[in-house]
Amino acid sequence: SQKIEQNSEALNIQEGKTATLTCNYTNYSPAYLQWYRQDPGRGPVFLLLIRENEKEKRKERLKVTFDTTLKQSLFHITASQPADSATYLCALGQDFNKFYFGSGTKLNVKP
Amino acid sequence: GAVVSQHPSWVICKSGTSVKIECRSLDFQATTMFWYRQFPKQSLMLMATSNEGSKATYEQGVEKDKFLINHASLTLSTLTVTSAHPEDSSFYICSALDPGTGYQETQYFGPGTRLLVL
Repeated sequence: SQKIEQNSEALNIQEGKTATLTCNYTNYSPAYLQWYRQDPGRGPVFLLLIRENEKEKRKERLKVTFDTTLKQSLFHITASQPADSATYLCALGQDFNKFYFGSGTKLNVKP
Repeated sequence: GAVVSQHPSWVICKSGTSVKIECRSLDFQATTMFWYRQFPKQSLMLMATSNEGSKATYEQGVEKDKFLINHASLTLSTLTVTSAHPEDSSFYICSALDPGTGYQETQYFGPGTRLLVL
């Protein structure tokens, strides 16, 4: 069965630095990959989607890469701020009927 | 963006009772909604896919007689946890697809419902 791995350890960085989060997967060939942000006790919020034929996608301070050979996606937040502190989830899918989520990585941005 | 609401936001009930959770798409019509449960520090686990006007599709291992799903309109799906037990205590989150905006694969999530069964 498919397996999606995100670093379970929290990532602690200083304000202003670039945060890089990793999503690795096995036994799966997704057509697209999404990143969501989840705050404690809240539902996830969509951030970015990248398709299998795309290498990189950007949105403001966010950047996502997708390497289907390595079966890995990297999620970058540049010029990080304390307000960026949250848990970030990656989700993989082949169509719009089923998605698989990673367990998320908690990001702590210290002032 | 598309807004999804859930009600109630939290509920405490006695073991053996049934609990209904509502999921509404507020500013769009959703033919497909999803129900997830999430345990602390764990991933969202898909329970079922709810399609308007038809029976829900349940994931393997999810008891359809225990978790009743009804998607009677294009803006409302309900999840009823029947004869709830303490092990059903969890964070239940719904989501909806809005093909009319952005990517058709993007899910818009509700704020979640915290269920505690005593």
